[in-house]
Amino acid sequence: DAKTTQPTSMDCAEGRAANLPCNHSTISGNEYVYWYRQIHSQGPQYIIHGLKNNETNEMASLIITEDRKSSTLILPHATLRDTAVYYCIVRVAERGSNDYKLSFGAGTTVTVRA
Amino acid sequence: DSGVTQTPKHLITATGQRVTLRCSPRSGDLSVYWYQQSLDQGLQFLIQYYNGEERAKGNILERFSAQQFPDLHSELNLSSLELGDSALYFCASSFRSVGTGELFFGEGSRLTVL
Repeated sequence: DAKTTQPTSMDCAEGRAANLPCNHSTISGNEYVYWYRQIHSQGPQYIIHGLKNNETNEMASLIITEDRKSSTLILPHATLRDTAVYYCIVRVAERGSNDYKLSFGAGTTVTVRA
Repeated sequence: DSGVTQTPKHLITATGQRVTLRCSPRSGDLSVYWYQQSLDQGLQFLIQYYNGEERAKGNILERFSAQQFPDLHSELNLSSLELGDSALYFCASSFRSVGTGELFFGEGSRLTVL
């Protein structure tokens, strides 16, 4: 898996958009970008994933640069419940791939403040 | 609620003992993953099973073993326990072995070795 680099921590004001950056400069053409989050000691929760197009779902938006070397997760209106560790992971997701696991790094600790 | 059930939620035992952690995946999910999370190591992938067969192995110690049964539930056996085995153990499931990469995590089993 390509390595990812995320800031260790960041603060965000409640009600504002939270923009979480992730660098993955060695990403391969067949590797997807995934985002998960872990609220204190709970099981990680899937947020969103993408290959090269921007993606949006009910939780967040994912913006991937054209060269795919970095991406940004956007939480449009952060709430106190969004305080968590956010993990950016790159992984192959093709049938026949030998890489079946998700490798979690240290992630970004996001604190949403009232 | 992710639909993944892990038991027990908490377990306290002594060094040298053996414990079994159990995981019931989401209905219909064929793949089960085990992760270990300790304070100084982050989330570490241990092992994955797909439809009863071992599919991928990570940093799993020889003292640890796992299996997936015909009804698709999985057990992680930890033996000759050491203080350093104290951690949160998460189980996750997904429908396929590979695919969208969306894993559903349980709430974890917290193991304390005294």
